[in-house]
Amino acid sequence: AQSVTQLGSHVSVSEGALVLLRCNYSSSVPPYLFWYVQYPNQGLQLLLKYTSAATLVKGINGFEAEFKKSETSFHLTKPSAHMSDAAEYFCAVSDRYGGSQGNLIFGKGTKLSVKP
Amino acid sequence: GAGVSQTPSNKVTEKGKYVELRCDPISGHTALYWYRQSLGQGPEFLIYFQGTGAADDSGLPNDRFFAVRPEGSVSTLKIQRTERGDSAVYLCASSLMDRGRYNEQFFGPGTRLTVL
Repeated sequence: AQSVTQLGSHVSVSEGALVLLRCNYSSSVPPYLFWYVQYPNQGLQLLLKYTSAATLVKGINGFEAEFKKSETSFHLTKPSAHMSDAAEYFCAVSDRYGGSQGNLIFGKGTKLSVKP
Repeated sequence: GAGVSQTPSNKVTEKGKYVELRCDPISGHTALYWYRQSLGQGPEFLIYFQGTGAADDSGLPNDRFFAVRPEGSVSTLKIQRTERGDSAVYLCASSLMDRGRYNEQFFGPGTRLTVL
């Protein structure tokens, strides 16, 4: 069965500092991997996705993530945090069904706070 | 263009009552997903439709939960004899279903259900 573990339910960084949100996954088949962001009282927005091409994936708002099969990880990074990055971030994994996508399995989320 | 819409945005009901939650997917999206997000948790998969049929309902927690999509567009999630533990945000997502390729799921804003 697939699963996702996000280390750290809360992460706090200073504005301008590096953001690192950790995600490890478990999957018996090559997965699709995703990071979503959720701002307060808003829906989920896709930040970036890994679908088997380049292992370093760039997303919106300056975020990127690297797929490391040997470590079963897909950590999210951003070189310099902005106040507007404060939100909750979810890592998710999906099976591939003949190349198509199945339902998403989400981690519990990491709430990012950015201090001025 | 119009995204996924969900109605109502908020629903307060009493324990034991019946509720219906509606999802309008993006026009032309044949795949539709329901997820439930409890407080402090990531979204959890409930059910997935391809067209009119439920392709995977393995996430429905018990037989009080039921969902339909009679014409392959709008879907309704129905909860009978609601319990306080059903309180959560119910998310709907839709996607194309082009076989052999990744199809992004687009999420609606959710319906916040509170069972008193």
